[in-house]
Amino acid sequence: ILNVEQSPQSLHVQEGDSTNFTCSFPSSNFYALHWYRWETAKSPEALFVMTLNGDEKKKGRISATLNTKEGYSYLYIKGSQPEDSATYLCAFKTGNTGKLIFGQGTTLQVKP
Amino acid sequence: ETGVTQTPRHLVMGMTNKKSLKCEQHLGHNAMYWYKQSAKKPLELMFVYNFKEQTENNSVPSRFSPECPNSSHLFLHLHTLQPEDSALYLCASSQLQGTKNIQYFGAGTRLSVL
Repeated sequence: ILNVEQSPQSLHVQEGDSTNFTCSFPSSNFYALHWYRWETAKSPEALFVMTLNGDEKKKGRISATLNTKEGYSYLYIKGSQPEDSATYLCAFKTGNTGKLIFGQGTTLQVKP
Repeated sequence: ETGVTQTPRHLVMGMTNKKSLKCEQHLGHNAMYWYKQSAKKPLELMFVYNFKEQTENNSVPSRFSPECPNSSHLFLHLHTLQPEDSALYLCASSQLQGTKNIQYFGAGTRLSVL
């Protein structure tokens, strides 16, 4: 059974704080790691797809890193804003099929 | 707007009812997916369709019956459900080939089984 673990489960920060969370996944049979952002009552939306060890991706104030050898990825948010409040999901892919295995998500709440 | 539309958004049904969930994608993708999200659990893959053919059935009970008449439409037929089937059901689509395989999700159907 392949498990993807995310921590923490939830996070409350003040506006302007920087924060980060972790996604742990099996280090064998790695193909890709996806990060999604899911706002309440909306659809999950892809943030990043990462495939190479050492990959770093950035989109505005959000960035992510990948370590496939040890099986983890970090998502960083710099200067959190209330609109960053959402659940952040990571998903692990073992091959060139569509199958993604999701973690439980980290729910971020940013207080003004 | 992600290009993936699910209807209805909310559904309440009794255990003896038969209902269907519908998903439509306008992105030209060749793969479609059904996911289930129960409270406090990760998104759980139920079915995968590639070019209208089912390629994955993740040990889903037969009271859930998928149908993919073409690459743009996906249905989930529901019959004699149990209260524990109450959950959010998400549909997604993607291009099957390529490294990215980014999945585009609908907003989901919130199902309550009484």
